[in-house]
Amino acid sequence: ETGVTQSPTHLIKTRGQQVTLRCSSQSGHNTVSWYQQALGQGPQFIFQYYREEENGRGNFPPRFSGLQFPNYSSELNVNALELDDSALYLCASSLKNPQGRSEQYFGPGTRLTVT
Amino acid sequence: AQKITQTQPGMFVQEKEAVTLDCTYDTSDPSYGLFWYKQPSSGEMIFLIYQGSYDQQNATEGRYSLNFQKARKSANLVISASQLGDSAMYFCAMREARRANNLFFGTGTRLTVIP
Repeated sequence: ETGVTQSPTHLIKTRGQQVTLRCSSQSGHNTVSWYQQALGQGPQFIFQYYREEENGRGNFPPRFSGLQFPNYSSELNVNALELDDSALYLCASSLKNPQGRSEQYFGPGTRLTVT
Repeated sequence: AQKITQTQPGMFVQEKEAVTLDCTYDTSDPSYGLFWYKQPSSGEMIFLIYQGSYDQQNATEGRYSLNFQKARKSANLVISASQLGDSAMYFCAMREARRANNLFFGTGTRLTVIP
C-alpha cells in the first residue's frame, strides 16, 4: 500500500449537484495531483497542488476546483455535475519537484457515478 | 497527437512465461521520464518501473524490465516468469521536464495470465 487514502470509495450523485472528494497524502509528501479515469481509458491529469496553491492544470473546466490544506491533504470539488463526470478519480502524492526517479503514489480512487 | 500509445488492448500469457507490453511515446522535450503502472481491479495504480531519457541502461525492477529504444521512442515493459497475480491493467506514462507536474497516460493493456 502507498499510504495515500481517498474518501469516499464510491459515490452516486445527480446531474447538476456538487461533489467533494478527499485525499490524504503519503507522509512526507508535499504535492498532490488529481486524475480522472473514465471507463476503459487511462487517467487524465486534472490539476496539481503544491504548498496549498494550484501548480498546473490539465484540460478541465473551472467547475473542477481543488484545495490543499497545511497537512497536505487535499479536496477535489466538482460543481454542476454532468453525466460525463462519471469516472474513477485518483489522487497521487509526491515530493516537489518530482524530477528524476521520484514517482507519484496513487490512492485507491473514488468511483463517482452521476445519474 | 497522442503522447503515449499502447496498441495492445489485451494480452494473454501462460503462467511462468515472459510477456512484452508495448508502449510508444511522442515528445519534443529532450528530458522526460517513462513509467509503467499496474492497476488491479481494485483501482489503485501501482508503480512498477521508471526510465529516464538520459539513462544509459535499461531499467530493471525484479521481474520487470523496460526495453527502452530511444530512437524508436518505445518503452516496452517485459514481465518475466508471469504469475497469476500479474493479471491486471498496465499503463505506460510519461512525464516531460517542461511539464513536470503532469503524467500523460496511455489507454492501457489488459494482461491475463493463464494457469
